Amino acid sequence: QAVLTQPSSLSASPGASASLTCTLRSGINVGTYRIYWYQQKPGSPPQYLLRYKSDSDKHQGSGVPSRFSGSKDASANAGILLISGLQSEDEADYYCMIWHSSASVFGGGTKLTVL
Amino acid sequence: EVQLVESGGGLVQPGGSLRLSCAASGFTFSSNSMNWVRQAPGKGLEWVSYISGSSSTIYYADSVKGRFTISRDNAKNSLYLEMNSLRVEDTAVYYCASSDWFDPWGQGTLVTVSS
Repeated sequence: QAVLTQPSSLSASPGASASLTCTLRSGINVGTYRIYWYQQKPGSPPQYLLRYKSDSDKHQGSGVPSRFSGSKDASANAGILLISGLQSEDEADYYCMIWHSSASVFGGGTKLTVL
Repeated sequence: EVQLVESGGGLVQPGGSLRLSCAASGFTFSSNSMNWVRQAPGKGLEWVSYISGSSSTIYYADSVKGRFTISRDNAKNSLYLEMNSLRVEDTAVYYCASSDWFDPWGQGTLVTVSS
């Protein structure tokens, strides 16, 4: 079982909100990890969006709009990237990442379609 | 402006070697940890290696351990990845990324391992 699992795709309408999940493998407690989120558009390198561990331990990337936010669902053992007020330019691949056992681990990515 | 520029990619035969470089500018290079991350064609992100600012701490992904060597020259604001015993499955765009939270990223350099 992968350390981080993301749904492969998600579709949402312009103006709506999209909730992208990043589920940690059983036995790895989401509460103890900082979860990092990245956006990648075709032909471009990934860009750092934000980091979220708790409301007192979070960081927004430089220039990243406030409509991108992070949270956690402890009951699902998952990190969440919430994008509100979806715009066509938000269509991209989104990756989560954690540092686990002296290694960085990326989720498989979610392709977000805005239509 | 913070900038990372990778170079050194190309076509190499299986079993061959290649050395990638990443030139940094616009920030205090020696204060930042650095990472290499790769992305196979049409696939997700895979972390490759980490080096601390002083080079005292180094980590590798299991998939490259024993074959790849990360290093840095703080006097030259440069990061390196020495890749030996290359395999077809090492074919990917290789990105350098700054800090523990991978921000920013370079544009990437393509490594193709093929006979």
